[in-house]
Amino acid sequence: AQTVTQSQPEMSVQEAETVTLSCTYDTSESDYYLFWYKQPPSRQMILVIRQEAYKQQNATENRFSVNFQKAAKSFSLKISDSQLGDAAMYFCAYRSGNQGGSEKLVFGKGTKLTVNP
Amino acid sequence: GAVVSQHPSRVICKSGTSVKIECRSLDFQATTMFWYRQFPKQSLMLMATSNEGSKATYEQGVEKDKFLINHASLTLSTLTVTSAHPEDSSFYICSATSGIYNEQFFGPGTRLTVL
Repeated sequence: AQTVTQSQPEMSVQEAETVTLSCTYDTSESDYYLFWYKQPPSRQMILVIRQEAYKQQNATENRFSVNFQKAAKSFSLKISDSQLGDAAMYFCAYRSGNQGGSEKLVFGKGTKLTVNP
Repeated sequence: GAVVSQHPSRVICKSGTSVKIECRSLDFQATTMFWYRQFPKQSLMLMATSNEGSKATYEQGVEKDKFLINHASLTLSTLTVTSAHPEDSSFYICSATSGIYNEQFFGPGTRLTVL
């Protein structure tokens, strides 16, 4: 079974600084997807960024980027120019490759990010 | 992105009663819906996966008779917590997807409190 590990229960960053959240995963599959979700205090899950395993290029979405190391099974999230609104729980998630997207997500335990003004 | 709603957002019930939570995909047809449970300061725990018109597939350790899931249409899935007890108090989240999307869309969640 696939597992996702987030080794940092809590992280903090100064506003406007950069922070990196770590995630490692374990799988024997070659086709899969990796996600970072944000859960603010409202508890609405928000997709931050997605990476397809077959793509070598790291995904980026504005201030958010990932460092995808397939061989090392590592998938870290970098948040640049941190803003107060970035404060939230961040969950790393894994999904097996499936054309229909109906495969379940496997979540890590989460990292609570605090942004200090 | 696609929108998923949940109703109610918050419910309080007495021990022994049943509670139904609805999950709707508002602007797309959801072939697959997922139900999660989240305890305070913890991650999401998948309870079951439901495909429209089929019986739900429950994760190991989840009681099928206690958590009844129905996915009768392409836009609606329901989770019924039967004979609820205080230990069933939790935050329940649904998500939905279809063949045209490559991600799950999450509802805003339902906070269940059983007295």
